Amino acid sequence: EPEVTQTPSHQVTQMGQEVILRCVPISNHLYFYWYRQILGQKVEFLVSFYNNEISEKSEIFDDQFSVERPDGSNFTLKIRSTKLEDSAMYFCASSPDRPNSPLHFGNGTRLTVT
Amino acid sequence: AQSVTQLGSHVSVSEGALVLLRCNYSSSVPPYLFWYVQYPNQGLQLLLKYTTGATLVKGINGFEAEFKKSETSFHLTKPSAHMSDAAEYFCAVSDQRFNKFYFGSGTKLNVKP
Repeated sequence: EPEVTQTPSHQVTQMGQEVILRCVPISNHLYFYWYRQILGQKVEFLVSFYNNEISEKSEIFDDQFSVERPDGSNFTLKIRSTKLEDSAMYFCASSPDRPNSPLHFGNGTRLTVT
Repeated sequence: AQSVTQLGSHVSVSEGALVLLRCNYSSSVPPYLFWYVQYPNQGLQLLLKYTTGATLVKGINGFEAEFKKSETSFHLTKPSAHMSDAAEYFCAVSDQRFNKFYFGSGTKLNVKP
């Protein structure tokens, strides 16, 4: 069964550094998402992406965050200047269409900001 | 706006016992409802979903859930727990625009031998 793949599985970075989290969604999917889960807390929506543009974003997704689909297969989340509070598990998800399609999640990237 | 409440952050059952994980939602539009499971160090795996039609939905691994509109609930059940069911379970709601899901805070299920 096709999977959403995320790399790396674990990223450690210093505060103030830029990080790029990478995702390869399922190939025929059209909608892409990033969620995050701070340790011990609930899974939070960050952003949804369709047709090469952001369709919705949460208040968490401020100017420090950006998303890109650079080559038709990868879907990236960039954090420009990481903060300690950005430490979390970041999940990429994709879905084929709406309205009846659940999200397919990757295994996540654990980001640790020191 | 949508939101999800999961009662009980930790639930412990004996192997072979009934599993009941509670989920209540609020939604201003007819909701789509989901249960996801997260095993340690893994992503979120879809267990089952309710969109329209039959209110009792069956999922993988013997789990099922019933959508009760009058109670705004979507509780997850399994008649007989197995050790391999130990994981964290998340209830989620989405509106029909499907732009985003709202997750509950999760319930960790512990299965005792």
